[in-house]
Amino acid sequence: AQSVTQLDSQVPVFEEAPVELRCNYSSSVSVYLFWYVQYPNQGLQLLLKYLSGSTLVKGINGFEAEFNKSQTSFHLRKPSVHISDTAEYFCAVRGNRDDKIIFGKGTRLHILP
Amino acid sequence: EPEVTQTPSHQVTQMGQEVILRCVPISNHLYFYWYRQILGQKVEFLVSFYNNEISEKSEIFDDQFSVERPDGSNFTLKIRSTKLEDSAMYFCASSVNSYNEQFFGPGTRLTVL
Repeated sequence: AQSVTQLDSQVPVFEEAPVELRCNYSSSVSVYLFWYVQYPNQGLQLLLKYLSGSTLVKGINGFEAEFNKSQTSFHLRKPSVHISDTAEYFCAVRGNRDDKIIFGKGTRLHILP
Repeated sequence: EPEVTQTPSHQVTQMGQEVILRCVPISNHLYFYWYRQILGQKVEFLVSFYNNEISEKSEIFDDQFSVERPDGSNFTLKIRSTKLEDSAMYFCASSVNSYNEQFFGPGTRLTVL
């Protein structure tokens, strides 16, 4: 079974400052890793995914994440945030033989002017 | 760009009533999923569906729940006798195969009174 931990429920950050949203996972099998974003009153949109290959993954809207197998982490980063990045961000994992995606509890990114 | 659609966007029902939530997956996708998100909590997997049968389901997906693909385009989730605790946002998702990313719909907010 897999699990995902997002330690920060909320992250406030000033506009144009860098941000890192932390995600750790546990699994007994190889996994695929995802970050989804949920804007207010909207559904889930895929930001980026790690399936295999390069551990640094670039996604939409200037976000990137790095898969670290030894630390079982998949932290999300952006060098300079914008007010439009205000949203809930979900880290998620799927076992390589599973259908279901397991989501973390989410981190609310709050951009300060 | 093709997208998953869900209707209705908001459903209000009385406890004990049956509800059917509808989804139209992306047309060339073969795998279909339902997830739910209780307000303030994380997104939880309910069920996956492939080749006209359930391939995986969670503990949440008890006998009160059923899924169906009644025609070539719709994918439905039925809750036979709704309970207060069924109030949540229900997300449909689809994917080309079991390895690729899942595309999520905008969700149906179910409120059980």
